[in-house]
Parts: sequence; structure tokens; C-alpha cells
Amino acid sequence: DTEVTQTPKHLVMGMTNKKSLKCEQHMGHRAMYWYKQKAKKPPELMFVYSYEKLSINESVPSRFSPECPNSSLLNLHLHALQPEDSALYLCASSQIGARNQPQHFGDGTRLSIL
Amino acid sequence: KQEVTQIPAALSVPEGENLVLNCSFTDSAIYNLQWFRQDPGKGLTSLLLIQSSQREQTSGRLNASLDKSSGRSTLYIAASQPGDSATYLCAVSRSGSRLTFGEGTQLTVNP
Repeated sequence: DTEVTQTPKHLVMGMTNKKSLKCEQHMGHRAMYWYKQKAKKPPELMFVYSYEKLSINESVPSRFSPECPNSSLLNLHLHALQPEDSALYLCASSQIGARNQPQHFGDGTRLSIL
Repeated sequence: KQEVTQIPAALSVPEGENLVLNCSFTDSAIYNLQWFRQDPGKGLTSLLLIQSSQREQTSGRLNASLDKSSGRSTLYIAASQPGDSATYLCAVSRSGSRLTFGEGTQLTVNP
């Protein structure tokens, strides 16, 4: 079992739908991340939140909208996605400023866009 | 721009063999280096993290080394088991937040 919990595990949606991905951690980490991973490729960073504020946006299209309502929760709101957005979406968390602490990943949400 | 390369891309070995996975990076100004394991359809599991000031870390049958000046790291797996079959990813961090990943090594350990 991972310490970062992502829901749902699988999501199928049409291009006109609106849906949200949810991520939760209770390790007291103040940095949280969204990654996108295509098949047989490494994860690509999308967003970073530090102390509940957006600190990094890797030029992600506006159809992806992140939200960090509190220090334990991270959401990714999806709207008008394209078929090429089908991928595994991974959430991660870590301590801030700790050189010896790794990022902890959830098991991801497998997203399919019809 | 940091680039991370992992060799080999795929490796198949018989059970019990000792093996080495390689990772190289172009910018030696790193914060730390991490080795992850990913099983099919799953997230990443952190195996070992080496701070920039360290030379190696060990956990059970795993040993990771870091030579920052030459931009290289190795992951040594002793007495491999079928349960070790997975994709192994190397990632370097310059700032502690942004990880740059290699393409991974897909390991198969045959019984």
C-alpha cells in the first residue's frame, strides 16, 4: 500500500466532460506534485505546489486545472480534454528543503479520453 | 538542460545473478539522485536516494553509487529474484522539487 492515495484508479471520459482527479497524503508533506506518464515513457512533471501555493506550472494547457485546498489534498480538474491526454496521472508528495527525503508517489489514475 | 540516460533499456537475466543498472546525467550540479522501481500499471516506489555529498546508499540487496563529478550512478542488485522484475528509473534533482527522469531499464528476472 502506498502512503499517497489517488482516486479514481481508472477514468474514462468524453472530450466534453468535466471530471476531477483526487490525491491525498497524511505524511505532513508540504510539497505536492502532478505528473503525466505515457506508456513506456518516464513521468513528466506538470505542476508543483509548495505550502498550498502553485510554484511550478510546466506550461500545461489550461484544460488541466490544479487545486490544493489544504496541505493534505491535491486535485486536478479536467475539462475538454483531447485523446492525446490519455495517460497515467501520478501524484507525489515530499518534504520541502530536505535533501535526503524522496518523493512519494501514488499508484496513479489511468485516464482514457474517448 | 539536464539530460539523464539509462543503459541498458532492457535486461533479461536468470534468477540468482548479480546485475548492474547504469544512469548518467549531463549536469553535475545536482541536489540528489533517486532510484525508483515501477511495476506495470503502478506508481513509482522510491528505492534509494543519494544526496549530492554522498557516494553510496545501501538497502538490503540493493546498492546505489554516485560519482557526481563524472555524472554517473549505478544500481547494483545482488542475487536477483523474479520479484525484482520491474522498470527501474533513475531521477536527478537540481532544486529538490523538479525531478529529471531517465527512460528507465526494464528488468526481467527469469526463474
